[in-house]
Amino acid sequence: GAVVSQHPSRVICKSGTSVKIECRSLDFQATTMFWYRQFPKQSLMLMATSNEGSKATYEQGVEKDKFLINHASLTLSTLTVTSAHPEDSSFYICSVGQSNTEAFFGQGTRLTVV
Amino acid sequence: AQSVTQLGSHVSVSEGALVLLRCNYSSSVPPYLFWYVQYPNQGLQLLLKYTSAATLVKGINGFEAEFKKSETSFHLTKPSAHMSDAAEYFCAVMKGGATNKLIFGTGTLLAVQP
Repeated sequence: GAVVSQHPSRVICKSGTSVKIECRSLDFQATTMFWYRQFPKQSLMLMATSNEGSKATYEQGVEKDKFLINHASLTLSTLTVTSAHPEDSSFYICSVGQSNTEAFFGQGTRLTVV
Repeated sequence: AQSVTQLGSHVSVSEGALVLLRCNYSSSVPPYLFWYVQYPNQGLQLLLKYTSAATLVKGINGFEAEFKKSETSFHLTKPSAHMSDAAEYFCAVMKGGATNKLIFGTGTLLAVQP
């Protein structure tokens, strides 16, 4: 399967600052990547679909100006949480698919906003 | 629209006992179904998947699941629990036919008692 790497694994930032999370597909060229968010003791919720070379597609209720997604190459997608607030504290996970029947996940990034 | 329901947010079994984690799905088209495992502060690892081939699917770590269309179920089982099986388990259905967006259930936390 595809190897997906996320960085950083943990980050603590001050309220009002921005944080960038990277998702790299190490052995697979991904035209599409997915970003999920997982609140404590809850399931994963799809936030957006990252499309290489074009705008991301956001799920209903996700603020595109708050969560900026850039997919400039076939191996890298970034999620920037802008003007972070404590309620943005969550576990963010990206995934890459090699086919339309499988997805491979990064290790996740634990964001804490203080 | 596709969805999955996991019955039981917490399941506790004794080491060596049968593991049964329940998942029911709703889908207007033949579904692609998945079970993922998540260890604390880590990403998701695919246990097994159903993609309309054999209804009994065998996965890693001794887990298996049976697709039952008549019951709209895809329950996960393992004959004998091991301490290392303690983790959170997510059932998921793939959204749409041409993408690999996943819709997750709420998860089941499996505890294994010595």
